[in-house]
Amino acid sequence: GENVEQHPSTLSVQEGDSAVIKCTYSDSASNYFPWYKQELGKRPQLIIDIRSNVGEKKDQRIAVTLNKTAKHFSLHITETQPEDSAVYFCAAGGNTNAGKSTFGDGTTLTVKP
Amino acid sequence: EAQVTQNPRYLITVTGKKLTVTCSQNMNHEYMSWYRQDPGLGLRQIYYSMNVEVTDKGDVPEGYKVSRKEKRNFPLILESPSPNQTSLYFCASSSRTDSNSPLHFGNGTRLTVT
Repeated sequence: GENVEQHPSTLSVQEGDSAVIKCTYSDSASNYFPWYKQELGKRPQLIIDIRSNVGEKKDQRIAVTLNKTAKHFSLHITETQPEDSAVYFCAAGGNTNAGKSTFGDGTTLTVKP
Repeated sequence: EAQVTQNPRYLITVTGKKLTVTCSQNMNHEYMSWYRQDPGLGLRQIYYSMNVEVTDKGDVPEGYKVSRKEKRNFPLILESPSPNQTSLYFCASSSRTDSNSPLHFGNGTRLTVT
């Protein structure tokens, strides 16, 4: 089945700096790659996603890049703010087993003021 | 308001006492799924359903049951809970019939089995 690895597990940056979180996946049939943000004590919420026919997608300070050949995708947050502090999860879906979705283990991002 | 509603939010029970966590969505979504979240292990899929009366195992189905008798509801059943099922559980739904679209999560159920 699909295996998603996420790095780093923790990331600390100064306010205003950029943050990058990387994920790799194993099933070349996967074609949907969302990123979720989970604030402390709350539910995960989608922040951005990308499909396999696109190499990059941007939404204000957040961007995701996808390299299908290497089977990895990354979340980029620019000009970080304290409210960006949260746990971020990547996921891979739409693969050989259509109903399964596999998540990375999460990255705890801390933005220091 | 479009939402996924889970109940209860918190549950403390004893080993072996059957329990059900309810999940309901009002978005007419086809796909529903259950996850458990444990520290350092991310979100692991327990069961999913791509349509009414269609359910399938995720990565960690042992000790759990589900049913999908109607589109809006997808209860999670623990017939004989054990302490290793102590976890934070999330129900989620999406508009497509597979995992190829954004998930909408409920607020979670924190289960403690003693």
